[in-house]
Amino acid sequence: NAGVMQNPRHLVRRRGQEARLRCSPMKGHSHVYWYRQLPEEGLKFMVYLQKENIIDESGMPKERFSAEFPKEGPSILRIQQVVRGDSAAYFCASSHMIVASGGQPQHFGDGTRLSIL
Amino acid sequence: GQQVMQIPQYQHVQEGEDFTTYCNSSTTLSNIQWYKQRPGGHPVFLIQLVKSGEVKKQKRLTFQFGEAKKNSSLHITATQTTDVGTYFCAGSMEYGNKLVFGAGTILRVKS
Repeated sequence: NAGVMQNPRHLVRRRGQEARLRCSPMKGHSHVYWYRQLPEEGLKFMVYLQKENIIDESGMPKERFSAEFPKEGPSILRIQQVVRGDSAAYFCASSHMIVASGGQPQHFGDGTRLSIL
Repeated sequence: GQQVMQIPQYQHVQEGEDFTTYCNSSTTLSNIQWYKQRPGGHPVFLIQLVKSGEVKKQKRLTFQFGEAKKNSSLHITATQTTDVGTYFCAGSMEYGNKLVFGAGTILRVKS
């Protein structure tokens, strides 16, 4: 019963390169979320996706960052032309579809630790 | 936009002492969730509160949701070293899945 799978666990990039972070949601989950976390800080919401749709990207920088959740395959968070300030842990979470009575618990992956040299 | 404030930022307690973290939202919430993150780990869902004034218990953990649905608290009775970690509250403003996380409270327990 696999949970949320993120890869790679660690990613090192040089300034100006591209970083691609992948996330496979739990089986049966149709909603994916991406968060960014700096050491000893909270989780900053970036983007919320359903299959083939971006529902809310209000937390994602307008430039260099993009996310997708295709019909087949994992969700991808893409950071182009990385800078030192992009160094952080990026967590993906997934959940079931919304129900009227409230939210759904989010199940998190182990994260990708991105380091920019 | 919606903000969720959480205090304290850090709490060091002696094993056996109680611990409480508080969460306040700038807007009325439809529900609030609590997560725990161990050092080096990922957040793990603990509980969700939906109703005004709701109180839920999980062993030594007690969760409350305020009457106005704008604040919440997590209380741990008689802390143990296994309670170490960061506790986050996360609120949702509408009946949707987007969560706004508080900054978290880092709990350290001295044995």
